[in-house]
Amino acid sequence: GAVVSQHPSRVICKSGTSVKIECRSLDFQATTMFWYRQFPKQSLMLMATSNEGSKATYEQGVEKDKFLINHASLTLSTLTVTSAHPEDSSFYICSAKEGGNTGELFFGEGSRLTVL
Amino acid sequence: AQSVTQLGSHVSVSEGALVLLRCNYSSSVPPYLFWYVQYPNQGLQLLLKYTSAATLVKGINGFEAEFKKSETSFHLTKPSAHMSDAAEYFCAVSEDQGAQKLVFGQGTRLTINP
Repeated sequence: GAVVSQHPSRVICKSGTSVKIECRSLDFQATTMFWYRQFPKQSLMLMATSNEGSKATYEQGVEKDKFLINHASLTLSTLTVTSAHPEDSSFYICSAKEGGNTGELFFGEGSRLTVL
Repeated sequence: AQSVTQLGSHVSVSEGALVLLRCNYSSSVPPYLFWYVQYPNQGLQLLLKYTSAATLVKGINGFEAEFKKSETSFHLTKPSAHMSDAAEYFCAVSEDQGAQKLVFGQGTRLTINP
């Protein structure tokens, strides 16, 4: 089946630095990708919808200047956590939609961010 | 607005026993419902989905779920648990068949005892 890969799977950074997480669709083109955040023992919360070649659509309460999303190609979307703080520590998961609106959704393995 | 509640953050069953993972939803529009499984260090994988066709949906790995509108439920079952079923399971709801915006439950960790 289709594969979505995230990199890095784990990252530890100092407070105040920026961290970039990549989400790649390995064997299909994804016009739409989604970024989720998962707190311990909680559900995945949609952060933003990323469309290739256009600005991301952020969910209410998500700071777009804090979480920069770039979807520059049909196989790559990036999430940059800017000026990270300990409260940004979380599990970030991306998903990519194959084909059009009714295409199947495939998820990445997730990236665990720890901010010291 | 939509929401999902998964009853039981942790379910433990013996190998060969019935698996029942509970999911109740709330939706102001006809829902599309999904079950995903997450194995350790892997991404979420679609188990099955309800898209307003048959109320009993069969998925991969012997799992099935029944949509009950009167009970606003979409519980996941498997007649006989296998050790390889140990994983985290997520129920999700969407307003569209393509799962453009999924609202997830808290997840249920399934443990299989030998």
